Amino acid sequence: SQQGEEDPQALSIQEGENATMNCSYKTSINNLQWYRQNSGRGLVHLILIRSNEREKHSGRLRVTLDTSKKSSSLLITASRAADTASYFCATGSGSARQLTFGSGTQLTVLP
Amino acid sequence: ETGVTQSPTHLIKTRGQQVTLRCSSQSGHNTVSWYQQALGQGPQFIFQYYREEENGRGNFPPRFSGLQFPNYSSELNVNALELDDSALYLCASSTGPNEGYEQYFGPGTRLTVT
Repeated sequence: SQQGEEDPQALSIQEGENATMNCSYKTSINNLQWYRQNSGRGLVHLILIRSNEREKHSGRLRVTLDTSKKSSSLLITASRAADTASYFCATGSGSARQLTFGSGTQLTVLP
Repeated sequence: ETGVTQSPTHLIKTRGQQVTLRCSSQSGHNTVSWYQQALGQGPQFIFQYYREEENGRGNFPPRFSGLQFPNYSSELNVNALELDDSALYLCASSTGPNEGYEQYFGPGTRLTVT
């Protein structure tokens, strides 16, 4: 079963614009991770935010976490055509030795 | 590109057959997790191996089984294949067994069951 749900399911923007994707989850978590997947290939880890953190930055990526609302957002600034991919949030909790992935947001950046 | 490799890249099998998928973990990683990703969906956790022992399992039937070898590479075996087993199978390696470790994914094996 999917723990996280990303919103929107699909997003299309112009190169240079910012892209924001949201993730909601259901149970308490230890951390939340974001991954990127290019068309049917393996996933690439982008960023991990722990439950006691509220915001984290990595290059053009900014992730926020609101544990009271059980939600996270991923902001990609100054998007590029190469950012076109599916983006997944994944939650980890201490009771299960696994990551539980959402259904993903398909981002298309138009040149 | 991560240091995780998977073989084969693509595979076509007939319903009822058995299949073995292979994964070589990144150097220095002792944990391998397997995921099934249906088209248009997020990956679903199958199981994890840590130091050659199964260390957690998702909601998959016993016909999904695995192994981890002393060099930490791993196999996923699926018996009595069903049409719904058609999916991308991903393995991921990490330096530890819990969800707090960054997972390094391989490129996946695309399995088609006809």
